[in-house]
Amino acid sequence: EAGVTQSPTHLIKTRGQQATLRCSPISGHTSVYWYQQALGLGLQFLLWYDEGEERNRGNFPPRFSGRQFPNYSSELNVNALELEDSALYLCASSPRGGVQTQYFGPGTRLLVL
Amino acid sequence: EDQVTQSPEALRLQEGESSSLNCSYTVSGLRGLFWYRQDPGKGPEFLFTLYSAGEEKEKERLKATLTKKESFLHITAPKPEDSATYLCAVRGGETSGSRLTFGEGTQLTVNP
Repeated sequence: EAGVTQSPTHLIKTRGQQATLRCSPISGHTSVYWYQQALGLGLQFLLWYDEGEERNRGNFPPRFSGRQFPNYSSELNVNALELEDSALYLCASSPRGGVQTQYFGPGTRLLVL
Repeated sequence: EDQVTQSPEALRLQEGESSSLNCSYTVSGLRGLFWYRQDPGKGPEFLFTLYSAGEEKEKERLKATLTKKESFLHITAPKPEDSATYLCAVRGGETSGSRLTFGEGTQLTVNP
């Protein structure tokens, strides 16, 4: 069974640009979560999508946004990039209802110059 | 607000030297405590889920236990390939949604 996949693996942007990160969940999973892991910091919850709807949001500014598509894949968009947005962005998925274990993808490393 | 504290921050062991990692938590209405392993530059790999005090789970050289305030990850006779950062996370009550709150992790190094 294929795990959570993310693309791209690495992304380099300059300050002020926009970044789009993509995630495909495990087959049969309907919930997708996004986390940020900045260097030296723990994983911080960003967003939770389930059945195409945003269900919960972490303490991040509105320039962090996303969506979930009918096939349950998801996009994370970061607008007006700042240097401190440089981090590993991790996507996780779980079965319906979001009360199950979350399984993580390999992450997208975003570097903002 | 849910909180997770892991100790120690870093741990160096000799191969075969057993030890334990600690995860202390504060949460309103625990709906799961999770252990993950993370290798450098990679996504966390799921190890265990514990739901209630007294619960224990084992996998190879690892054993996770849970009390009402903390969880331990016991590593028996570790090998160099067990070197990684071990993350603990909790899912709190309904107001937390399904978010996981993570600790900072324990970086484990096992020397041959």
